[in-house]
Amino acid sequence: DQQVKQNSPSLSVQEGRISILNCDYTNSMFDYFLWYKKYPAEGPTFLISISSIKDKNEDGRFTVFLNKSAKHLSLHIVPSQPGDSAVYFCAGFQGGTSYGKLTFGQGTILTVHP
Amino acid sequence: DAGITQSPRYKITETGRQVTLMCHQTWSHSYMFWYRQDLGHGLRLIYYSAAADITDKGEVPDGYVVSRSKTENFPLTLESATRSQTSVYFCASTLAGTYEQYFGPGTRLTVT
Repeated sequence: DQQVKQNSPSLSVQEGRISILNCDYTNSMFDYFLWYKKYPAEGPTFLISISSIKDKNEDGRFTVFLNKSAKHLSLHIVPSQPGDSAVYFCAGFQGGTSYGKLTFGQGTILTVHP
Repeated sequence: DAGITQSPRYKITETGRQVTLMCHQTWSHSYMFWYRQDLGHGLRLIYYSAAADITDKGEVPDGYVVSRSKTENFPLTLESATRSQTSVYFCASTLAGTYEQYFGPGTRLTVT
């Protein structure tokens, strides 16, 4: 039972263009959604989050959109830069549980070409 | 250094051997987690701990053992390593009541 899915294993984008990474979920009890970024040989680092009661959250070049009716979220990176090349994981957080458990998707490899 | 560290960073072991991966954090976070990262599966939770001496199974706990005698340490032991346990292992921690987890740099384990 994959509660969080990233159906695109990879995405290739030209520098300066928009990158759109997608994520679908099945658990309607998630209270927050998070995006993590991971470079090779490093641990994932937190990028941006959104509450389930919001439909958009923006932080600089990064914007996350949430469509609850479709159980879909997306991360937009504008403009994309070569340093954005990394693996991106989306994750869902279900509040009410005491241990802060995150459920991750499979990840999408983003490559931004100069 | 402050933060969350893992050791060793790379490990090669043979099938059937016992191996322990170490995780240490300096933030006094109450919650700690072990994940494995495999192609096509993303990050899957192995075990987690809410505090010292409190641990529980995650999604893929079989073949692993954890302990947490001190808040800052959360070792993961493979009692009898199998090839299917070849993976990259990440430790993470978080404050109680928050959702953002902080990850260590990972341990790449190869079981031959």
